[in-house]
Order: sequence, then structure tokens, then C-alpha cells
Amino acid sequence: NAGVMQNPRHLVRRRGQEARLRCSPMKGHSHVYWYRQLPEEGLKFMVYLQKENIIDESGMPKERFSAEFPKEGPSILRIQQVVRGDSAAYFCASSPRDRGVNTEAFFGQGTRLTVV
Amino acid sequence: GQQLNQSPQSMFIQEGEDVSMNCTSSSIFNTWLWYKQDPGEGPVLLIALYKAGELTSNGRLTAQFGITRKDSFLNISASIPSDVGIYFCAGLGSSNTGKLIFGQGTTLQVKP
Repeated sequence: NAGVMQNPRHLVRRRGQEARLRCSPMKGHSHVYWYRQLPEEGLKFMVYLQKENIIDESGMPKERFSAEFPKEGPSILRIQQVVRGDSAAYFCASSPRDRGVNTEAFFGQGTRLTVV
Repeated sequence: GQQLNQSPQSMFIQEGEDVSMNCTSSSIFNTWLWYKQDPGEGPVLLIALYKAGELTSNGRLTAQFGITRKDSFLNISASIPSDVGIYFCAGLGSSNTGKLIFGQGTTLQVKP
């Protein structure tokens, strides 16, 4: 009965490289959320995905950031041409949420991205 | 957009004392959640509140969903050293997408 699995736990990238963050939701969960947390701040919503669909990307930066949740495999948050300001903890959460039902989300342990 | 104001920002208390923290918003939320985050870890759900006025307990933790749906508080009774961490409130709004709005967090330190 594994929880939300994120990998890698820590990722170091040089400026200009690409960062790929992976999230496997809890078994039976088909809804995935990505959040970003800067040091000493709360989590900020980025994107909400269901299988093969982006439902809400209102928190995603307009450039360099993309997310997907394919039919098979984990959800991926991709950051192209990383800059130092991208350094943060990125958390994935999953939910068994059905439309119209408020269901709490369960979080993974996060990926700590450091851009050098 | 919707925002949550969480207070206090930090607390330093003696073991055995009770703790109270709260969140307020200018917007209405349909669900309030309280999470705890340990260093280097993800947030762990403590209590979920679904109805205005609801009072819910989880061991030494008690939380209430304000009657106006614009606020919530979390109480921790008889604090112990393992209560140390950052506590976040989060609200689920009316957009029905499941997007959570988080407060800024309350950092709790407990002196043995």
C-alpha cells in the first residue's frame, strides 16, 4: 500500500539544463497535482492533471514548464533551461477525487531541485 | 486570487503546553485541511473539515471549520517534542478542481 512516490528526492542541475521530476500516484488514484515550495513558504499550486489530460494549469509559469500524466507510467513535471530561481521543493499529490466531491490529497516526499 | 493568512508565523513553547494557530481568508472555502510538514518531507494530512461549524479531533489535535467558512483553527493539547514541525492550513475553494490554497505555515518548536 505504497504512498505517493516521487523521484529523484534530490536533483542538481546546472543553469540551462533540463529537469525532469517524476510522480507515481497512490494505487487507485487518477488525479495528480503538482505544487512548488520555496524556502520558508507555503506550497503553491502549479498544475492539476488526470490521465492524459491537463485540467488546471493556472499556477504553471508560461514558459519552460510543462507537465504530463500519460495513460501508462508516472506523471512528469519538466522544466527546461533551468534558472537559479527554479530551485525549490516540488511536491506531487494524488487524490481519488471524483467530479464534484471534495477529497483530500496525499502528498509525496518531494523533489528538491537545486540549480547551480 | 484566494489567499490564506496563517498565524502565528512561529511559536516556541514548553513541553506540556497547549498550542493554538489559525487561518483566515477573505474568500469562502468548502473544505479546510490541516497538514504537518517535517524537515525534508512532504506535508502529512492531520485533519480534514468539510462542514461549516464542524469541530473534529484527532488525538491531541482539535480543529474547527469556522461558521462563516472563512476561517479555521487548530489546537494541540499537551504538546510533546515530536510535535515540532511546520503546520499548514489549506483551503479547497469553489473551483471544484481540487486545487488547494495553502497558508504560509506556523513553525512550532517545543522545549523539553
